[in-house]
Amino acid sequence: DARVTQTPRHKVTEMGQEVTMRCQPILGHNTVFWYRQTMMQGLELLAYFRNRAPLDDSGMPKDRFSAEMPDATLATLKIQPSEPRDSAVYFCASGLEGGSYNSPLHFGNGTRLTVT
Amino acid sequence: KNEVEQSPQNLTAQEGEFITINCSYSVGISALHWLQQHPGGGIVSLFMLSSGKKKHGRLIATINIQEKHSSLHITASHPRDSAVYICAVRAPPTSGSRLTFGEGTQLTVNP
Repeated sequence: DARVTQTPRHKVTEMGQEVTMRCQPILGHNTVFWYRQTMMQGLELLAYFRNRAPLDDSGMPKDRFSAEMPDATLATLKIQPSEPRDSAVYFCASGLEGGSYNSPLHFGNGTRLTVT
Repeated sequence: KNEVEQSPQNLTAQEGEFITINCSYSVGISALHWLQQHPGGGIVSLFMLSSGKKKHGRLIATINIQEKHSSLHITASHPRDSAVYICAVRAPPTSGSRLTFGEGTQLTVNP
């Protein structure tokens, strides 16, 4: 079964450190989404890529967060410097879009980030 | 008012009961997703629909575009259906295809 792979599964770091989360979308998918889930806010969209181009990153704090797709098989989400309020589960999802077609989204298992 | 509202927030049922979870939205959409998140945290996409009705096993999803409303039904519910069910709407490509989530419905099915 094809699946979205996220690494690491868990990350504990100290405030001020850089954190990099990685996502391998399903081969052939052309959209990638980064979400954050917290108890207080639920699921929030951070960034959205189509064909490796960022289309929407309005949900992302620009001063410390950055999202990139260096190639079609890798998406990264970086936080620098990290803060305790960034503690959350970060999900990546991929899908296929073309014209009026949107496929169902496939989610990774998430990266649980704890910033102390 | 949230763009996507789900009801109920919490639902407890006995095994075998028919369950309905509702989702109302206030924006134009290209598609609506129903997602399932188990206690372990993983998220599974159950349905994506833009009109009519879809069925998969004991799950049925319907959408009424004119009324901006969707329902997720579970027939013959089972304890393993216990999870959080999340409705998410996808904006049209002209609006950036943004995905907006409801707050989720916590379903508990007791044996």
